[in-house]
Amino acid sequence: EDKVVQSPLSLVVHEGDTVTLNCSYEVTNFRSLLWYKQEKKAPTFLFMLTSSGIEKKSGRLSSILDKKELSSILNITATQTGDSAIYLCAVANSNSGYALNFGKGTSLLVTP
Amino acid sequence: GAGVSQTPSNKVTEKGKYVELRCDPISGHTALYWYRQSLGQGPEFLIYFQGTGAADDSGLPNDRFFAVRPEGSVSTLKIQRTERGDSAVYLCASSRGGGASTDTQYFGPGTRLTVL
Repeated sequence: EDKVVQSPLSLVVHEGDTVTLNCSYEVTNFRSLLWYKQEKKAPTFLFMLTSSGIEKKSGRLSSILDKKELSSILNITATQTGDSAIYLCAVANSNSGYALNFGKGTSLLVTP
Repeated sequence: GAGVSQTPSNKVTEKGKYVELRCDPISGHTALYWYRQSLGQGPEFLIYFQGTGAADDSGLPNDRFFAVRPEGSVSTLKIQRTERGDSAVYLCASSRGGGASTDTQYFGPGTRLTVL
């Protein structure tokens, strides 16, 4: 059975700190790994990482896929209070069609 | 905005009642997905539509749950004889479809269902 594990489950940092969120996975036929930010209810798309795109960056956020270690990290530099949210990692398996398998998420709180 | 929309945003019902949750995908997206998210958990896959047909319904928990997408656009998730354990946020997502490995799912704001 496919598995996605995120760590830590929760994190509290001060504004300006840099954080690293972790996601490890076990899937039978890896297709892609996605990061979402969830504030209130709707997860908003951040990055998709595939075998042909293992590093992505957008502003203060960046993500790397390590296919050898079956893991990914999401980095946020110079954190702001608006970064407070739950960060979800999801993996797509070629065998299971298009269903995403999500981890439990990391709850990040950035204090002023 | 041209994002995924869901109605209602909140639904409170009594145990045993029937509910319908609606999802309006991004215009032009042929693929549509339903997920369920319980407190403290990540979203859990329920069903995937490609066009009008349910291509994968392996995540539906039992036969009380059913979903339709008759014209290949709007979808309705139907839950019969609701139980307290059905209480969760029901999320809908859509994507372009077509099978590309880079096909990205975009989520709606969800419907929070509470069964009393």
